[in-house]
This record gives sequence, structure tokens and C-alpha cells, in this order.
Amino acid sequence: GENVEQHPSTLSVQEGDSAVIKCTYSDSASNYFPWYKQELGKGPQLIIDIRSNVGEKKDQRIAVTLNKTAKHFSLHITETQPEDSAVYFCAASGSTLGRLYFGRGTQLTVWP
Amino acid sequence: SAVISQKPSRDICQRGTSLTIQCQVDSQVTMMFWYRQQPGQSLTLIATANQGSEATYESGFVIDKFPISRPNLTFSTLTVSNMSPEDSSIYLCSVQQGAPGTEAFFGQGTRLTVV
Repeated sequence: GENVEQHPSTLSVQEGDSAVIKCTYSDSASNYFPWYKQELGKGPQLIIDIRSNVGEKKDQRIAVTLNKTAKHFSLHITETQPEDSAVYFCAASGSTLGRLYFGRGTQLTVWP
Repeated sequence: SAVISQKPSRDICQRGTSLTIQCQVDSQVTMMFWYRQQPGQSLTLIATANQGSEATYESGFVIDKFPISRPNLTFSTLTVSNMSPEDSSIYLCSVQQGAPGTEAFFGQGTRLTVV
């Protein structure tokens, strides 16, 4: 099955700085890569996703890049704000069953 | 996006008892999944809830311990049976509205503590 690795496990940045979280996947058949934000006591919230036919996608302060050759995708958050503090999960999906394989998560802390 | 209501939001249960968690969606969805998230950990898929047929379980999870129902395209239940403290986790319902590989949305989770 698919194996998704996520780094770093914790990330602290100053407000206004950028944050980058990186993930790798093992199954070349995977073609859908979402990112989730989970705040304390809440379920994961989809914040951005990318499909294998696209190399980059941007939505305001967040962007995701995908390198299919390297089996690598990243989340970029610019101009970070304290409310960006949360756990971020990457995931990959490619099977016809639709299941997602999750990374282990990154605890992002943005200091004011 | 789908609006998912999951009940209860939290519970404290005695070991040896069972708890049924409900997941209600505001629209018909193609696929429904149940995940477990142990404290500080990632999400582990328990099973895919299939409408009108038996759920498909992942390795390490069995129907006797986690029976699942899905009577229609908007509702599913997960039961955690004969609970032990090791079952203390957050249980999450997830749905996909379209074909596999489309956006998946999550409920707010059920925080279960077994004492």
C-alpha cells in the first residue's frame, strides 16, 4: 500500500514568516494530494489539494507544489498568522477505493 | 462541501461496554469512512462503510469489534464493542461526495475515553 512520510513533525515560526511542510509518497499510482488543518478538539479541515496533472496550486496565502518524478509534495504558507497554528496533515490517494493515506502530521506554532 | 454531524461529540465509558457513534450528512454521498485518531497521532482508517452491504475493514480491524452500519447514502454508525482503555481515541467520520479521489470531508469527531 501507499506510504506517506511528512516532515517536520513540529515547526515554529514568527508571525509574518513563511512555513513549509514536506511530504513524500511511495505509490506512483497516487494522483490526488490533499492537505488538512486540524485545530484542537476539531475534525480535520480540507485547506487545499492538488492533482497529479498540476504542478502547483495557490489559494491566497497557501500553496501546494507537486513533483511527480520525485514523489514529493509540499505545503507553503506565507505571511503566517497566529490563527494558522494547528496540526497539518498531508495525504495521498490513488486507488479506485478512494481511501486516503495520511502523513503523521506537523504541529505548526506561529508566535506573535 | 458536505455538512457532517457526528454524535456524540465526546463520552466517557466503562470498560466492557459498547458505544455507538452516529454520522449524519446533509446530502447524499458516495463514500463514507471511519477513522481512528489516537492522542497526538495521525488518522488510521478503520473501514469503508458500504451502503446496503457489509463494511470493508482495514488490516487490524474486525467487524466483531467495530460493527458498522450504513442504511442509506446519508447516515452511518460505528459501534466500539467490549471497550478497553486502549480504545480511548478520537473517532472520525469522513465522506466523499463524488468519485474516488475527490474531496473528502470530516466530521468534528467523537472523543472517547474508556475507564
